[in-house]
Amino acid sequence: DAGITQSPRHKVTETGTPVTLRCHQTENHRYMYWYRQDPGHGLRLIHYSYGVKDTDKGEVSDGYSVSRSKTEDFLLTLESATSSQTSVYFCAISGGVDYGYTFGSGTRLTVV
Amino acid sequence: AQSVTQPDIHITVSEGASLELRCNYSYGATPYLFWYVQSPGQGLQLLLKYFSGDTLVQGIKGFEAEFKRSQSSFNLRKPSVHWSDAAEYFCAVGATNAGKSTFGDGTTLTVKP
Repeated sequence: DAGITQSPRHKVTETGTPVTLRCHQTENHRYMYWYRQDPGHGLRLIHYSYGVKDTDKGEVSDGYSVSRSKTEDFLLTLESATSSQTSVYFCAISGGVDYGYTFGSGTRLTVV
Repeated sequence: AQSVTQPDIHITVSEGASLELRCNYSYGATPYLFWYVQSPGQGLQLLLKYFSGDTLVQGIKGFEAEFKRSQSSFNLRKPSVHWSDAAEYFCAVGATNAGKSTFGDGTTLTVKP
């Protein structure tokens, strides 16, 4: 197994509600990332982490926040969900710049 | 800023035929380059990577890619495609800053019987 799990796999939520997606790894990797995947846009980086409590913004970070209180967990929060945040969200982990990523199976989020 | 272009949105090949998927990158230094494959409803899986050394790299599932600095390209190839190769393929360039990768928009491969 890849050692990375995302939860939930699917979620439907209403506009304006907060939503938290969880990424959990068992590989003890330093780097963790959240991407969103939308048709025609490939994968776009939302936030990333380079250690416990060390996080930074990616290219599409507006409306999202993250936390990493333990090496193994990286949480993505949509403070107030909007329809434009309907997407598939992928978490990825990496042991270093030359490792490449291991991806989770994704979370399909629908905001109605 | 780094960027990746995959010029072909969709490619169709016959089973048993050869395959080449194109990838062009923009990066200021020596790039870390990756190819990933995504089957429907799944996450992405790393096929191969390049960061130094031999410019022809071998990956899993019989894929290979060639780094050409002069053309800023990292094209993915396979000599004989199988029906199970039908998927979406993503090229990515990785930065030395926290290993952040920028992905292309992907190429969808259809395999005809």
